[in-house]
Amino acid sequence: AQSVAQPEDQVNVAEGNPLTVKCTYSVSGNPYLFWYVQYPNRGLQFLLKYITGDNLVKGSYGFEAEFNKSQTSFHLKKPSALVSDSALYFCAVRDRTGRRALTFGSGTRLQVQP
Amino acid sequence: SQTIHQWPATLVQPVGSPLSLECTVEGTSNPNLYWYRQAAGRGLQLLFYSIGIDQISSEVPQNLSASRPQDRQFILSSKKLLLSDSGFYLCAWSVKGTSSGGEKYNEQFFGPGTRLTVL
Repeated sequence: AQSVAQPEDQVNVAEGNPLTVKCTYSVSGNPYLFWYVQYPNRGLQFLLKYITGDNLVKGSYGFEAEFNKSQTSFHLKKPSALVSDSALYFCAVRDRTGRRALTFGSGTRLQVQP
Repeated sequence: SQTIHQWPATLVQPVGSPLSLECTVEGTSNPNLYWYRQAAGRGLQLLFYSIGIDQISSEVPQNLSASRPQDRQFILSSKKLLLSDSGFYLCAWSVKGTSSGGEKYNEQFFGPGTRLTVL
């Protein structure tokens, strides 16, 4: 069965500093990996995905994520955080042979302080 | 461009009452459709997904049911609500792949959600 772990419930960072939101996964074979962001009382917005190729994936709003197969990780990063980045972030995975739906992590709340 | 709608945005219902939440997608055809529930503002639980009209898979046994009477319409229902049905319900869609298995790398697009409170 596929699974996703987001080990941090909350990440605090000062505005202008780099941020990292961690995600590790477990699937059979090679994964498809996704990051979503959710603002209060809103639906999830797609940020970026890893399918194949370059391990560093660039997405919306200046975010990027690095796929590390040996560590089974897909950490979300941004070089310089903004207060407006404060939100709930979800990592998701789908394996290449199984069910169509995504398996989501439990979410990490990012708080960027001015 | 594609858009996804959900209504109502919020709903307060008594225990034992029926439920009907609606989701519609515009600007695409033959999408895969999904219902998720998000409890306590955190993890998402997949409830149902559909690959076509009247083709629905249930992920977990529960008090809810889903129907897809039209290509771009997905309905979540209950005959009798329980307190534990309270939560934030999200509908999502994704494009089908052009080849066998190709859809697996397509991202899902989410609606604005319905917040259901059962009292």
